[in-house]
Amino acid sequence: EDQVTQSPEALRLQEGESSSLNCSYTVSGLRGLFWYRQDPGKGPEFLFTLYSAGEEKEKERLKATLTKKESFLHITAPKPEDSATYLCAVQAVKFGGTSYGKLTFGQGTILTVHP
Amino acid sequence: DTEVTQTPKHLVMGMTNKKSLKCEQHMGHRAMYWYKQKAKKPPELMFVYSYEKLSINESVPSRFSPECPNSSLLNLHLHALQPEDSALYLCASSQPIIRGYGYTFGSGTRLTVV
Repeated sequence: EDQVTQSPEALRLQEGESSSLNCSYTVSGLRGLFWYRQDPGKGPEFLFTLYSAGEEKEKERLKATLTKKESFLHITAPKPEDSATYLCAVQAVKFGGTSYGKLTFGQGTILTVHP
Repeated sequence: DTEVTQTPKHLVMGMTNKKSLKCEQHMGHRAMYWYKQKAKKPPELMFVYSYEKLSINESVPSRFSPECPNSSLLNLHLHALQPEDSALYLCASSQPIIRGYGYTFGSGTRLTVV
């Protein structure tokens, strides 16, 4: 069974204090690992897709990296508007297509950035 | 147009009511999804439609009935729900290509069953 574990559950930072969020995963063949941002009462907002170990992607103050067992979301010099829940999800490769389109999400990390 | 639009945004219904949630996208995506999200929990997959055909049903109770009338529309029909079905219902769409592809989520429908 595919599993995704995110840590920490909650993270409080001061504005400008860089840090990282962790996503550990177990999947029988990784098709893709996804990072999303979710604000309260809203749908998740797509950030990144990573496909293979060693891959990195950046967007503004965010940088996502991937190894064979985990992914990190690095936040550089965060601002209060970066406060949100960050979700990690994996999509597995399965024969027969029965897992087509299914994302398995982690529990999320609630990030709070204080001014 | 890079959005998934869900209506209504909020819905309060009684346990004997019948209601429907609607989802629309015009990005040409051929896969559409329904997810359920309880407070402080991650989204949980309910249904997947691929090319307007139901491809995944995650053992969802029959009081939830999905429908995909065409490639742009996805409905979720609700009947005889229970208070524990209160949640944020999210619709999403994606391209069905071999490599993983980021879903586009709608803003959700906040459902309260009384």
